[in-house]
Amino acid sequence: DAKTTQPPSMDCAEGRAANLPCNHSTISGNEYVYWYRQIHSQGPQYIIHGLKNNETNEMASLIITEDRKSSTLILPHATLRDTAVYYCIVKKAAGNKLTFGGGTRVLVKP
Amino acid sequence: DAGVTQSPTHLIKTRGQQVTLRCSPKSGHDTVSWYQQALGQGPQFIFQYYEEEERQRGNFPDRFSGHQFPNYSSELNVNALLLGDSALYLCASSLMQGGPGYTFGSGTRLTVV
Repeated sequence: DAKTTQPPSMDCAEGRAANLPCNHSTISGNEYVYWYRQIHSQGPQYIIHGLKNNETNEMASLIITEDRKSSTLILPHATLRDTAVYYCIVKKAAGNKLTFGGGTRVLVKP
Repeated sequence: DAGVTQSPTHLIKTRGQQVTLRCSPKSGHDTVSWYQQALGQGPQFIFQYYEEEERQRGNFPDRFSGHQFPNYSSELNVNALLLGDSALYLCASSLMQGGPGYTFGSGTRLTVV
């Protein structure tokens, strides 16, 4: 699985959009970009995933660049409950393990 | 629909002892993976079970072993506990053929003293 690079931390104002970047320059054609988050003392929670097209669900939007070497997770209206560590993971669709890096620690401030 | 259930939630053991952690996967899932998360670190993959067999293994010693039962539930066993085994142990279930993602349990917090 390709490696990912994320900033270690970022702050965001409550009610504003949070844009979380991720670099995955060695991604292969059959690898997806997955995002998970982990709120303190809980298990990681699946947020969204995509291959090449932009994706949106009730939690977030995922923007993948045309060359697929980077992506951005967008939390449209951050709330205090969005404070968590966010992990960007690249993996094939089926079977393969999740390889977690350091993630981005997001602090949403009032 | 119940998600992933892990038991116990907390556990304290003494060095050298053995421990068994249990996991019931999300309904409809057939694959169980185990992760170890030390304080301040991201989860590290231990192994994955599918069709009652270990399919993939991470960089963990043989002291870590597991089992998957016909109902897809799973156990993680750790022998000869070391202080460094203190961590949050997470179970994740999924479908081997693919799907929206892994569903994680809340974990078992193991403290070795």
